[in-house]
Amino acid sequence: ETGVTQSPTHLIKTRGQQVTLRCSSQSGHNTVSWYQQALGQGPQFIFQYYREEENGRGNFPPRFSGLQFPNYSSELNVNALELDDSALYLCASSSPGQGAPNEQFFGPGTRLTVL
Amino acid sequence: KNQVEQSPQSLIILEGKNCTLQCNYTVSPFSNLRWYKQDTGRGPVSLTIMTFSENTKSNGRYTATLDADTKQSSLHITASQLSDSASYICVVSARGDYKLSFGAGTTVTVRA
Repeated sequence: ETGVTQSPTHLIKTRGQQVTLRCSSQSGHNTVSWYQQALGQGPQFIFQYYREEENGRGNFPPRFSGLQFPNYSSELNVNALELDDSALYLCASSSPGQGAPNEQFFGPGTRLTVL
Repeated sequence: KNQVEQSPQSLIILEGKNCTLQCNYTVSPFSNLRWYKQDTGRGPVSLTIMTFSENTKSNGRYTATLDADTKQSSLHITASQLSDSASYICVVSARGDYKLSFGAGTTVTVRA
């Protein structure tokens, strides 16, 4: 167990809808990264939040947005869902200067299915 | 572009046998390399982490090796168990870059 939790565990939405996924980081961690993992592939970086500010972004359209709260928990929002958004969404927490460089601890993921 | 290539894509082994997974990367400048185990539908769990100066690292029946000159790593599973059935992902970090480069993973199936 990493101490990173995500909710919900599973979610089914229809095309065009909006979804919000949530992540609670490990105690003491101020950085949260979000990843999308399609079936049979490695995780793809969506973005990272550090102390409530977006710290970097991967190659994802603006309809993928996020938030980080003062307690360092985080949300991933996806608007206008498309079928290709069906994936496992992973959240990982870390803290600069703690542990090995860039050491990230992953949550169990949220399985999103878009019909 | 930083890339991580893993082979084979999948493999099936009998319980009690050994296997070796490969990882080649082009990430530069290199900081560290991790192997993660990911059960189906779950988040990845770290097995080993190696920096530039480390050639080998063990975690129980898992042994990782690193050749930073050839930019290759391997993960060796000894005396496999049914619970070793999972995807094994190689993840490489570049110095000074917060982003991680992930391989696509090798799916290992252990059969009784």
